[in-house]
Amino acid sequence: TQLLEQSPQFLSIQEGENLTVYCNSSSVFSSLQWYRQEPGEGPVLLVTVVTGGEVKKLKRLTFQFGDARKDSSLHITAAQPGDTGLYLCAGVVKAAGNKLTFGGGTRVLVKP
Amino acid sequence: EPEVTQTPSHQVTQMGQEVILRCVPISNHLYFYWYRQILGQKVEFLVSFYNNEISEKSEIFDDQFSVERPDGSNFTLKIRSTKLEDSAMYFCASSAITGSNEKLFFGSGTQLSVL
Repeated sequence: TQLLEQSPQFLSIQEGENLTVYCNSSSVFSSLQWYRQEPGEGPVLLVTVVTGGEVKKLKRLTFQFGDARKDSSLHITAAQPGDTGLYLCAGVVKAAGNKLTFGGGTRVLVKP
Repeated sequence: EPEVTQTPSHQVTQMGQEVILRCVPISNHLYFYWYRQILGQKVEFLVSFYNNEISEKSEIFDDQFSVERPDGSNFTLKIRSTKLEDSAMYFCASSAITGSNEKLFFGSGTQLSVL
């Protein structure tokens, strides 16, 4: 079973601060995705990373895929209250089919 | 922007009753999925569906569960005899392609409460 561990589980910061969320596994992923989930809503895809070492930027969000394709990080620069939400990583292990396996999520609270 | 629609948003049922959760995937998508999220726990894969048949299913998806695409637009999840532990948020998702560049679009979910 590929297990995706996210850390921290909860993060509370002040507006303007930076934060990093981590997603780690012992499995190698053919791709890894980051989602954001608001209360009462389904996850919304933010980014997909495929290549080891890949870095993608989405405005103030920077996503990195580890060289060995076993881990990933999400960094938010100058966080704003609108960044508050549950951030989920999810990966596909090719040998295990095409299903997405989700991490437990990191709940981010950005206080004004 | 096209979206995945799920109905109902909330469903309350008695243990042992059958429930059908409905989803309308994005119209040109070919791959369909059901996931569930028990309160406070991870989003878990249940089943994937392509070309009118199940592609993959998890060990959660036992004989009590079934999926159907009855009319080319709806995608349903049926739980034949609900148990207390089936209480969860059920998410439908669809995608146009599969593989590394797959982009899943999730619905807003159906909150199922089994009493």
